[in-house]
Amino acid sequence: GNSVTQMEGPVTLSEEAFLTINCTYTATGYPSLFWYVQYPGEGLQLLLKATKADDKGSNKGFEATYRKETTSFHLEKGSVQVSDSAVYFCAPRRDSGTYKYIFGTGTRLKVLA
Amino acid sequence: EPEVTQTPSHQVTQMGQEVILRCVPISNHLYFYWYRQILGQKVEFLVSFYNNEISEKSEIFDDQFSVERPDGSNFTLKIRSTKLEDSAMYFCASSDVWPTYEQYFGPGTRLTVT
Repeated sequence: GNSVTQMEGPVTLSEEAFLTINCTYTATGYPSLFWYVQYPGEGLQLLLKATKADDKGSNKGFEATYRKETTSFHLEKGSVQVSDSAVYFCAPRRDSGTYKYIFGTGTRLKVLA
Repeated sequence: EPEVTQTPSHQVTQMGQEVILRCVPISNHLYFYWYRQILGQKVEFLVSFYNNEISEKSEIFDDQFSVERPDGSNFTLKIRSTKLEDSAMYFCASSDVWPTYEQYFGPGTRLTVT
């Protein structure tokens, strides 16, 4: 079955620092890949996605590239802001049957001013 | 923009009591899901629902749990006899169909079992 491994948090960065959150997955077939973000006290919001190999998803300055050869989907942002403080979840989605997501453990990001 | 809504936002119940968590999915969506997140842990899939029946359920979704779409707009999760370990945030999600199958999540219901 599908599984996902995310880097352990918390990650603490200063404002304008470069962010990388690693995510690797195991899957049968070719899942679509998603990053979700959970701001304090809120639900899950889609941040970005990629549906096939070498696709790059991007949104709000965040990027992630679907790397089939390394089964990875690392999240990056060139310059983080305090408002990016949240928990980030990597989530492959099985693209058949029920299309359920498999969520990683989440990585908490704290950005200091 | 259409959104998934959930009620209540926070439910406190005593162990052994029944609870019903309610969700209103996006109106033209056909797939519905429940996930849960125990505090500090990952989000876990519970169940998916399509065409008025369960299409998949996880090991967590035992006989204490049930889902229903009673009136064509609401989607409910019932826990018959709550246990302390059912305390978690429960997220409802709905998705459209081909080609995206993208799931939209509600804000969650925090269930506290005392």
